[in-house]
Amino acid sequence: QKEVEQNSGPLSVPEGAIASLNCTYSDRGSQSFFWYRQYSGKSPELIMFIYSNGDKEDGRFTAQLNKASQYVSLLIRDSQPSDSATYLCAAGGTSYGKLTFGQGTILTVHP
Amino acid sequence: DVKVTQSSRYLVKRTGEKVFLECVQDMDHENMFWYRQDPGLGLRLIYFSYDVKMKEKGDIPEGYSVSREKKERFSLILESASTNQTSMYLCASSTPEGGILGEKLFFGSGTQLSVL
Repeated sequence: QKEVEQNSGPLSVPEGAIASLNCTYSDRGSQSFFWYRQYSGKSPELIMFIYSNGDKEDGRFTAQLNKASQYVSLLIRDSQPSDSATYLCAAGGTSYGKLTFGQGTILTVHP
Repeated sequence: DVKVTQSSRYLVKRTGEKVFLECVQDMDHENMFWYRQDPGLGLRLIYFSYDVKMKEKGDIPEGYSVSREKKERFSLILESASTNQTSMYLCASSTPEGGILGEKLFFGSGTQLSVL
């Protein structure tokens, strides 16, 4: 069974701080990794993807991938209350776009 | 913008009923997926389809079936609904544009199904 595990939440950070979300995966065949954000009562939306070892930055978001350790992370700098949501990590790279999701981490950014 | 439409936002059914959840996408995507989302368990894949009339089991297909007669429409069927199928059901679509872009999922707004 391919698994994706996320650090248990909920995670609470003050406004302006760095939020760190972590994820590990069991299938070494996974090639691509995704972070989805899901606001309460809404559907998930893609915010970052990464497929090469190292860091990938997009605005306040940085995704990090370490394939040797089978570890993915998402850093949110200068966290805002609007970042409060559930963050879902997903692993892919197989045929037909099939993704395996983690259980999600609830992030709360308090003013 | 890609639009994935699920026919119902909330649905209440009784045990033993046959339930149909409908999903339509308007971007000519080849791939369509049905996930269920439960607290603490994340999204779990029920079935997916990569072409008309093609279907593949996901991780938790038991108790479900699917139908894809047209490219834009993917239906999830609960043959005999049970209380443990109470959940949020999310439909998604994607297109194999090549490489990582083919794995970007576009989700519908979800159907919260309650089986009493």
